[in-house]
Amino acid sequence: KAGVTQTPRYLIKTRGQQVTLSCSPISGHRSVSWYQQTPGQGLQFLFEYFSETQRNKGNFPGRFSGRQFSNSRSEMNVSTLELGDSALYLCASSLAGQTSYEQYFGPGTRLTVT
Amino acid sequence: KNEVEQSPQNLTAQEGEFITINCSYSVGISALHWLQQHPGGGIVSLFMLSSGKKKHGRLIATINIQEKHSSLHITASHPRDSAVYICAVTGNQFYFGTGTSLTVIP
Repeated sequence: KAGVTQTPRYLIKTRGQQVTLSCSPISGHRSVSWYQQTPGQGLQFLFEYFSETQRNKGNFPGRFSGRQFSNSRSEMNVSTLELGDSALYLCASSLAGQTSYEQYFGPGTRLTVT
Repeated sequence: KNEVEQSPQNLTAQEGEFITINCSYSVGISALHWLQQHPGGGIVSLFMLSSGKKKHGRLIATINIQEKHSSLHITASHPRDSAVYICAVTGNQFYFGTGTSLTVIP
């Protein structure tokens, strides 16, 4: 089975722009979660999607949004980028949800905001 | 206030040593996860547990729900175990510890 894939792997954007990141889960997995990792804050939970519905959300501003499609693929969008949004963005998929099932992580998208 | 605390932050061991990493949490949880992250960013889930003890090869994870504490043990450590180990708990969302950076010297 193919693992979790994320595209693009690297991205450079300018402050004020917006960005869309994509995550394709393992086949059969219905839950996708997104995380931000920075040297200062470590790993932080952004949100979780299950069957096209956002099920849980972390403490991030409304500039961070996401969606999930019927094939379980997910995208996250960050609008009006700030320098502090520079981070490694990870997604993880699981069979049915982060609270009860093992998470499988993708390689991440490294976003640099200049 | 950190919902998940890990100790130690950094750990250096000689090859073959027995290693313990500790994790304490303050929130109600449905599961606790131990994750491994190698340089370059990739994260691998080592264990997910809600009670008792699990073993996989040289790795053992335990959890005490009453004391809100978990430990990750590595027996007969090897240089390839060098990585950052992260404790995370799931309740209504995912809370992460700051990680323990382990270096195993040959």
